Amino acid sequence: SQKIEQNSEALNIQEGKTATLTCNYTNYSPAYLQWYRQDPGRGPVFLLLIRENEKEKRKERLKVTFDTTLKQSLFHITASQPADSATYLCALSRGYQKVTFGTGTKLQVIP
Amino acid sequence: DGGITQSPKYLFRKEGQNVTLSCEQNLNHDAMYWYRQDPGQGLRLIYYSQIVNDFQKGDIAEGYSVSREKKESFPLTVTSAQKNPTAFYLCASISLGGLGTEAFFGQGTRLTVV
Repeated sequence: SQKIEQNSEALNIQEGKTATLTCNYTNYSPAYLQWYRQDPGRGPVFLLLIRENEKEKRKERLKVTFDTTLKQSLFHITASQPADSATYLCALSRGYQKVTFGTGTKLQVIP
Repeated sequence: DGGITQSPKYLFRKEGQNVTLSCEQNLNHDAMYWYRQDPGQGLRLIYYSQIVNDFQKGDIAEGYSVSREKKESFPLTVTSAQKNPTAFYLCASISLGGLGTEAFFGQGTRLTVV
């Protein structure tokens, strides 16, 4: 069955550094890979989407890479700020059918 | 403002009761989804619907039921058959006319069995 793995341990980094989160998947060939941010007690908020034929996508301080050979996506936040502290979820889909989410990685940016 | 609204924010259920969680969207999205999230866990898909009067089971549909009588509404009923219903429930919608599958989420309903 499809499996999405994100580092379940929290990631602590110093303010100003680049945070890198990893999403690995197996038994799946997604057409789309997405990253969401979730704050405690709130619904996830969409950040970035990358398609299977794209290698990299950027938006302001965010960068996502998508390696379909390694079956891996990396999510980078440059010049991290305490306000970036949240849980980040990776999600995969082949279109409008099931959107499957990973368990998320909690990021803590230390001032 | 367009968006997706879930209600209530908090819900308490007695053992053996059915409860219904509301999800309404005014984004004119075709597809709607229900997810369950347990503490420290990811989102698990319960049911989804791509068109009115049609829906499919997700990974953990047992003990839940849904309806899609209107495009804007996708209520979820947690039945007494769901043995461990305490969780955070999230509704999402997606436009099928877009280039990607960005999901818009509601703010969630936290259900507690008392």
